[in-house]
Amino acid sequence: EAQVTQNPRYLITVTGKKLTVTCSQNMNHEYMSWYRQDPGLGLRQIYYSMNVEVTDKGDVPEGYKVSRKEKRNFPLILESPSPNQTSLYFCASSPPRGSGANVLTFGAGSRLTVL
Amino acid sequence: SQQGEEDPQALSIQEGENATMNCSYKTSINNLQWYRQNSGRGLVHLILIRSNEREKHSGRLRVTLDTSKKSSSLLITASRAADTASYFCATDQAGTALIFGKGTTLSVSS
Repeated sequence: EAQVTQNPRYLITVTGKKLTVTCSQNMNHEYMSWYRQDPGLGLRQIYYSMNVEVTDKGDVPEGYKVSRKEKRNFPLILESPSPNQTSLYFCASSPPRGSGANVLTFGAGSRLTVL
Repeated sequence: SQQGEEDPQALSIQEGENATMNCSYKTSINNLQWYRQNSGRGLVHLILIRSNEREKHSGRLRVTLDTSKKSSSLLITASRAADTASYFCATDQAGTALIFGKGTTLSVSS
């Protein structure tokens, strides 16, 4: 089944404790992206990647890191989480930008709480 | 950088009624997409309309696009309780990321 898999789905952590949210897709998609969703603010893009070893900042990159060493994986790293990073996070992937079919496939979401 | 803005923010209707939600955007686009999100879950793609198209249908969904007014509408006909969800428009501009609006929350009661 074509899908985007995120882990963990739920996580409660404490301020300053480094964590990684993994994202993996099995559709051979070039494009991958991370979003956070907060009430009243909608979906905001954190980082995206056009292909392996190519990443770029989205609208709200502060406090996050990403890497794209393999095509299928795009982990989101919070080096020193803070309470304002409490949010619902989504990973998504799509065929190449400009392919005319850049429809995003989303993961199920990761709900993160930072105490 | 919010691009699409949905209207209304919330909509409550009865089963069998039609639901219309609108999306306005600011700059030229390659295409506009609509997604649905059931509570707390991942977004699911519904339909894509390209900038050179004016109307598109998919089952009970009808999407229109007016590039001169920079607006789109999503019509769901004969709504069902299972249509209860949030609906987001997303605009695709050349060379940038897909940008989502804040969504319309649709509630369909039986």
